Amino acid sequence: EVQLVESGGGLVQPGGSLRLSCAASGFTFSSHWMYWVRQAPGKGLVCVSRIETDGRTTSYADSVKGRFTISRDNAKNTLHLQMTSLRVEDTALYYCVRGWSGAFDLWGQGTMVTVSS
Amino acid sequence: DIVMTQTPLSSPVTLGQPASISCRSSQSLVHSDGNTYLSWLHQRPGQPPRPLIYKIFNHFSGVPDRFSGSGAGTDFTLKISRVEAEDVGVYYCVQATQFPFTFGQGTKLEIK
Repeated sequence: EVQLVESGGGLVQPGGSLRLSCAASGFTFSSHWMYWVRQAPGKGLVCVSRIETDGRTTSYADSVKGRFTISRDNAKNTLHLQMTSLRVEDTALYYCVRGWSGAFDLWGQGTMVTVSS
Repeated sequence: DIVMTQTPLSSPVTLGQPASISCRSSQSLVHSDGNTYLSWLHQRPGQPPRPLIYKIFNHFSGVPDRFSGSGAGTDFTLKISRVEAEDVGVYYCVQATQFPFTFGQGTKLEIK
């Protein structure tokens, strides 16, 4: 089955760290750009990071630049998002998303990150 | 960043009637490769978004023909020819021409 399964979310205090993971299956993971998109409770969608197929090129939204690091392991079909210096405003459901033909064509169910004291 | 503006933000529609959502970008979405990376997503409550349309008017697999996309440059439209009960939820346009890729605010489609 073609799917993306996120894990690693949870409750963390402001200033803390979390590492999100996304396990891909059912398709050639190494052929796709991958993205992390987040959605704060009751809010819209925000693309926070992307990574090229070989992992050498990465990009970040200004709101997370310098705090978040995206990476991938094509041998293990896994995408990661290392989040440090977390802020209350980072609270959101984080989706792992596959890119194809300039669109987001496959979404995971998401993993919830809550930043609160 | 490219700002995506959707109208309306809420759309009450009668079953079987058409619906239309507009999406306007703050700058042209024509990429240097000649493609226009404007797509549409549908999100039901408690679910991840589901892709509907890519590159303005192309359907993803399994998307009913009652959905259609159109537009060019900075102005785009998603139309539903005859709304069905399963179409309720929030619709988002998203541009992937320039990073950071940005989404519209979302349009909530509900049945009258």
